Amino acid sequence: DAGITQSPRHKVTETGTPVTLRCHQTENHRYMYWYRQDPGHGLRLIHYSYGVKDTDKGEVSDGYSVSRSKTEDFLLTLESATSSQTSVYFCAIRQGVSNTEAFFGQGTRLTVV
Amino acid sequence: AQRVTQPEKLLSVFKGAPVELKCNYSYSGSPELFWYVQYSRQRLQLLLRHISRESIKGFTADLNKGETSFHLKKPFAQEEDSAMYYCALGGSGTYKYIFGTGTRLKVLA
Repeated sequence: DAGITQSPRHKVTETGTPVTLRCHQTENHRYMYWYRQDPGHGLRLIHYSYGVKDTDKGEVSDGYSVSRSKTEDFLLTLESATSSQTSVYFCAIRQGVSNTEAFFGQGTRLTVV
Repeated sequence: AQRVTQPEKLLSVFKGAPVELKCNYSYSGSPELFWYVQYSRQRLQLLLRHISRESIKGFTADLNKGETSFHLKKPFAQEEDSAMYYCALGGSGTYKYIFGTGTRLKVLA
């Protein structure tokens, strides 16, 4: 398995609090992605990064921000968590963009109460 | 815009029956298509990609640019094929990598 880990694996938080999820890789891959997985919606792209300090919005970026200050870490922040952000969050990495597969982390189950 | 459509949320077949999971895409550039599988409570893993034209676990998929489709097929389903299957789209000229809504395949004994 690719060296990609997410932390925490599970979190319960209250509405209105900020939350940060971490994705850490040891593969030195350039491209990193954050998705949320919800029944009936599949995997939806939140934000992605194509290099240190280079990030862009995905399909469902409202309420989320990201930062990538070094190659190995990609942080996802929920500025003020809402119940609609209860989900399973997956991080993925890719070495390139041309016909290269994505390797996924184990996922973070976030519950906002 | 980049878009992936998997029209079936759930597909149930009997063991030994043929399987076809549908995937249609929309992309203005040169598309790159992939299939991923997610077994219960596990992370997603690559099943196959269109560029390699390989067969993994008996599954195949052919990119049809005319119909903008990349359907996943297997002639004889096995119970261990029960899982969630996602179609993914990348492409030249984009860093985005997007997925469809997924199809849950249930293979019945």
